[in-house]
Amino acid sequence: DAKTTQPTSMDCAEGRAANLPCNHSTISGNEYVYWYRQIHSQGPQYIIHGLKNNETNEMASLIITEDRKSSTLILPHATLRDTAVYYCIVRVEEGGSSNTGKLIFGQGTTLQVKP
Amino acid sequence: DSGVTQTPKHLITATGQRVTLRCSPRSGDLSVYWYQQSLDQGLQFLIQYYNGEERAKGNILERFSAQQFPDLHSELNLSSLELGDSALYFCASSVALRANSPLHFGNGTRLTVT
Repeated sequence: DAKTTQPTSMDCAEGRAANLPCNHSTISGNEYVYWYRQIHSQGPQYIIHGLKNNETNEMASLIITEDRKSSTLILPHATLRDTAVYYCIVRVEEGGSSNTGKLIFGQGTTLQVKP
Repeated sequence: DSGVTQTPKHLITATGQRVTLRCSPRSGDLSVYWYQQSLDQGLQFLIQYYNGEERAKGNILERFSAQQFPDLHSELNLSSLELGDSALYFCASSVALRANSPLHFGNGTRLTVT
């Protein structure tokens, strides 16, 4: 799977948009970009994923650049409860019997939302 | 609530002992994944099952084993426990193996080996 690069940590003011960048310059055409977050010692929480197009759901928006080499997760109105480690993961669609679907987690970005 | 249930939430045991962690996947999900998260380590993939069969293996020790039962629940067995096995163990499930099928994680079992 393609490697991702994320900043180690970021701060965001409560009520403001949090924009979390991810670089995945070696991404292949059949690789999806996934975002998860982990709030202290809880299980990782699925946020959003996309292949080529921008995606939005009730939690966040995912903006993928046209060349797919980077993406940004946007939390539109960050709250204190959004303080967590955010993981950007590139996940490949393996062929046929090789499909496993497993996710490989990196170190992520620690987002601190401040009052 | 992800719909993935893990029991027990906490487990304290002594070195050399054996424990079993249990995972019930979300309704309809066929694939189960196990991950380990130690204090100083990230989330490490251990093993995966799909519809009862082992599908992928990661950094799983020989002292650890797992299985998925016909009702699709899964158990992770840890034996000859060592202090270094103290960690959070997470289970995740997904409907399918395709990359477009998100994994959903439980809230984990915290294992403490004393």
